[in-house]
Amino acid sequence: GAGVSQSPSNKVTEKGKDVELRCDPISGHTALYWYRQRLGQGLEFLIYFQGNSAPDKSGLPSDRFSAERTGESVSTLTIQRTQQEDSAVYLCASSLVYSLDNEQFFGPGTRLTVL
Amino acid sequence: DAKTTQPPSMDCAEGRAANLPCNHSTISGNEYVYWYRQIHSQGPQYIIHGLKNNETNEMASLIITEDRKSSTLILPHATLRDTAVYYCIVSKETSGSRLTFGEGTQLTVNP
Repeated sequence: GAGVSQSPSNKVTEKGKDVELRCDPISGHTALYWYRQRLGQGLEFLIYFQGNSAPDKSGLPSDRFSAERTGESVSTLTIQRTQQEDSAVYLCASSLVYSLDNEQFFGPGTRLTVL
Repeated sequence: DAKTTQPPSMDCAEGRAANLPCNHSTISGNEYVYWYRQIHSQGPQYIIHGLKNNETNEMASLIITEDRKSSTLILPHATLRDTAVYYCIVSKETSGSRLTFGEGTQLTVNP
């Protein structure tokens, strides 16, 4: 079957605009994760979902960031009033269940550039 | 989750074994060691993980010291396509599979 897909692959926006990033996990995967990677840096965890619930939102950088998941499937990461420091690659991953011994499968990412 | 320390960069000749070290001296008993890699402009790719026994799969071998304070990822016959950033991560059960990635090691395989 298909892997994790993300859209758009690239997004250029102006400072102050809102953006929505989409993630389609592998079918049947109940756990979904969002990460951010700034240029030249490691991955930064943002948020994860168990089903449609996000038990831990502490990784979100600010209240401009929000995420939702519906139907235990697609997830959307929304960034309001974008700032230049939001420029990064946003990666989504999914795993079969939310469990220590479960491999996470990553999507190709969305490259966000805020001008 | 325990912190890991990796060298920022390493070089390896094509066809030779690449041995990537990782220190995780504060690892606790229920933490696994995971290795991922990220080839330029792509998403991270899972390689291997283990708890205390050495592990081997089609991609690599993972050697964990007896005290579990360090580990080594071995790519037995490195190819140019193995050039990537390699991340060593430890994760405890309460964090589930929420993995926090550090800086990693940039492995460059030279022809």
